[in-house]
Amino acid sequence: RKEVEQDPGPFNVPEGATVAFNCTYSNSASQSFFWYRQDCRKEPKLLMSVYSSGNEDGRFTAQLNRASQYISLLIRDSKLSDSATYLCVVKGNQGGKLIFGQGTELSVKP
Amino acid sequence: GAGVSQSPSNKVTEKGKDVELRCDPISGHTALYWYRQSLGQGLEFLIYFQGNSAPDKSGLPSDRFSAERTGGSVSTLTIQRTQQEDSAVYLCASSPTGGRDYGYTFGSGTRLTVV
Repeated sequence: RKEVEQDPGPFNVPEGATVAFNCTYSNSASQSFFWYRQDCRKEPKLLMSVYSSGNEDGRFTAQLNRASQYISLLIRDSKLSDSATYLCVVKGNQGGKLIFGQGTELSVKP
Repeated sequence: GAGVSQSPSNKVTEKGKDVELRCDPISGHTALYWYRQSLGQGLEFLIYFQGNSAPDKSGLPSDRFSAERTGGSVSTLTIQRTQQEDSAVYLCASSPTGGRDYGYTFGSGTRLTVV
């Protein structure tokens, strides 16, 4: 079993749609959680951290369920510019390495 | 500089040659990481440096791979006797501390092609 699992997609949605990505992780000792965005042939860039209380940044909402070891990302009113691969990322104990999921590809169409 | 700088941006080498990839982290960042990403694949952890602690080398795929970080700043990833399966984008990232709440900032990577 992979340490971080995501649905690879692709998710093809029209502009303005709401889309949700899910991610599960296997290490219950994981401490920090992030969503990264990676555009084609570019480096990953931090989209947002994920907190147990849930957090929102504009059209993006992230949720963490520690009991179920489950992370989600919701994108509302999707834009063409949201087309990218979204990477679920988990970090172990303080100072540990980041473990990346395989990524979920999103394509927003006009 | 303002970001993580990697060089060269592209490297084509012949099978069996050695290559060195360089990473300049963001000034003051104590944690430095190397990952690689093969075409269409996810990010694979290679090695992690945190301050003066012994590096976490658990991701290095073979003894042909090594890395060092001099003076707590610049890092060099060396691949000896390169093989075609080493072809990938090698990404370096740095973080302010090893602390759990910080995400990483990535450089734009070195695209290595072994022919």
